[in-house]
Amino acid sequence: EAGVAQSPRYKIIEKRQSVAFWCNPISGHATLYWYQQILGQGPKLLIQFQNNGVVDDSQLPKDRFSAERLKGVDSTLKIQPAKLEDSAVYLCASRNQGATNEKLFFGSGTQLSVL
Amino acid sequence: AQSVAQPEDQVNVAEGNPLTVKCTYSVSGNPYLFWYVQYPNRGLQFLLKYITGDNLVKGSYGFEAEFNKSQTSFHLKKPSALVSDSALYFCAVNEYSSASKIIFGSGTRLSIRP
Repeated sequence: EAGVAQSPRYKIIEKRQSVAFWCNPISGHATLYWYQQILGQGPKLLIQFQNNGVVDDSQLPKDRFSAERLKGVDSTLKIQPAKLEDSAVYLCASRNQGATNEKLFFGSGTQLSVL
Repeated sequence: AQSVAQPEDQVNVAEGNPLTVKCTYSVSGNPYLFWYVQYPNRGLQFLLKYITGDNLVKGSYGFEAEFNKSQTSFHLKKPSALVSDSALYFCAVNEYSSASKIIFGSGTRLSIRP
């Protein structure tokens, strides 16, 4: 079974520039998550999709971050403009259905460095 | 609001000795509890979960975890540590009544010395 695919693997940008990350979840997984993992911390949920609808985006900094999952499959997360504190690993995860007792499958992440 | 705490940033154990990585949680309802492991430059991998039933849960790579409702804890354990167990470990909680929101702890770095 193919895992969660993310690209790019690494990205270096200057502050105030924009950046986009892509995620393709496991086939058939209805629920998709974007997490931000700052060095030395646990993953922090940014946004959760159920199919192409947003379930939770309470911790997404909406003045600069946006995400979409138009066809209920792959998803993009965008930052515009980036700040120094956005330097982190951005993890995408998917889950079968939306069952709260099911495990998450994670991609390898995109490591973002903002200079 | 639900939360999860991992009180130790780092745990050091000699190879062959038992290991414990601690986790406590806070939820208003029944918890679903998970342990994930993260190797360098990799995403998180699922180790084990507690849903209901037996308080001792067995998972991947010889790990197990014990759910203790009275102490609101879900400590990860392994009887005999391997050097290859060295990694970052995260505890996570998902409240039964919430909309699938999973909260992760801050992580514990496990270091196994030969």
